[in-house]
Amino acid sequence: GAVVSQHPSRVICKSGTSVKIECRSLDFQATTMFWYRQFPKKSLMLMATSNEGSKATYEQGVEKDKFLINHASLTLSTLTVTSAHPEDSSFYICSALTTSTDTQYFGPGTRLTVL
Amino acid sequence: GENVEQHPSTLSVQEGDSAVIKCTYSDSASNYFPWYKQELGKRPQLIIDIRSNVGEKKDQRIAVTLNKTAKHFSLHITETQPEDSAVYFCAATKAAGNKLTFGGGTRVLVKP
Repeated sequence: GAVVSQHPSRVICKSGTSVKIECRSLDFQATTMFWYRQFPKKSLMLMATSNEGSKATYEQGVEKDKFLINHASLTLSTLTVTSAHPEDSSFYICSALTTSTDTQYFGPGTRLTVL
Repeated sequence: GENVEQHPSTLSVQEGDSAVIKCTYSDSASNYFPWYKQELGKRPQLIIDIRSNVGEKKDQRIAVTLNKTAKHFSLHITETQPEDSAVYFCAATKAAGNKLTFGGGTRVLVKP
């Protein structure tokens, strides 16, 4: 149980395009999901907290118009990187919260490369 | 806000030896402390967690201890095996279910 999937696992795009990343909880409902960014050999940096049916809460320094988050159902949250630039290249990981144990389970991550 | 410091940043041990990773946190209101293991290019996986109402928790070769007074907690891995090689992250939060603050990570290498 407590499986979280992410799609795509890897994406390469041109500068200026937008990229959508999906995070799904496969066998449980998640009212809360989290989006992280991880640079090589670094820790996880929380970008935003995604709550089903309401606006996401962004961490300080994260541009909400740049990183659009939509949590439209209890099993799906999406992160859209708008007008991507090379500095947005990173490993993006989501996690979903199981309310039964208040535990976060992570997705496999999406490696974004912006050319 | 919460700040979590993790030491050491790298740890090399001989197979069969023990490994200990230590974390300190700043917010005395924090009461949930999970540990995650991340292999290269993979997702972080929860390996053990502890809540503030207990001082120690053990699961086979892995144990975590918590000292609330000193605001630090530690991960202990006994009888290390090559497959224990990975990056380990500690984290803290005021309540399980809230956003986590992660430590900087410890890269563990178990030499056969």
